[in-house]
Amino acid sequence: DAGVIQSPRHEVTEMGQEVTLRCKPISGHNSLFWYRQTMMRGLELLIYFNNNVPIDDSGMPEDRFSAKMPNASFSTLKIQPSEPRDSAVYFCASSLGLAGGREQYFGPGTRLTVT
Amino acid sequence: GDSVTQMEGPVTLSEEAFLTINCTYTATGYPSLFWYVQYPGEGLQLLLKATKADDKGSNKGFEATYRKETTSFHLEKGSVQVSDSAVYFCALSDSGYALNFGKGTSLLVTP
Repeated sequence: DAGVIQSPRHEVTEMGQEVTLRCKPISGHNSLFWYRQTMMRGLELLIYFNNNVPIDDSGMPEDRFSAKMPNASFSTLKIQPSEPRDSAVYFCASSLGLAGGREQYFGPGTRLTVT
Repeated sequence: GDSVTQMEGPVTLSEEAFLTINCTYTATGYPSLFWYVQYPGEGLQLLLKATKADDKGSNKGFEATYRKETTSFHLEKGSVQVSDSAVYFCALSDSGYALNFGKGTSLLVTP
């Protein structure tokens, strides 16, 4: 099993540019989560999907952030325009179902640096 | 709201020492509790979990017991190895579906 796949692993961009992060969940999993990790704020949930439908996006910091899940095997997180304070590691995770107690499987993360 | 509080790190131990990482939680319902581990440059992996009071989760020599009376889920290992060096996250999942993580505790084990 390939696990959760994220691309790119590293992204360096200039302030104002559009950034797109990609995630392929584990086959058969129907829930997908996007997290952001920083030293200051730790791990924050940005948004999660169930059966490709966004369920809760209250963690998305502002309108510059958007996420889509066009099908069960692909999701994107887009930042437009990017700012230096968006620099962080972004993780995608997937799980089978949404009920509490379900294990979430994390990808390796995308380290984003905005200069 | 729900929250998790972990002991501050970093924790530095010699190989074969006993490990305890404290975790306490606040929740309105009856959450499931988790410990995740993050090795350098990798994503988080589930280490163990417990879904109800008095349950003990265990894996790879690590243990944690769900204590409702003290709202705690402390992580323990009797004899740590260099390969256990990582960041450990306590987390809970209450009536919602998302995981609520603590800040993480960095562990360094020296030979």
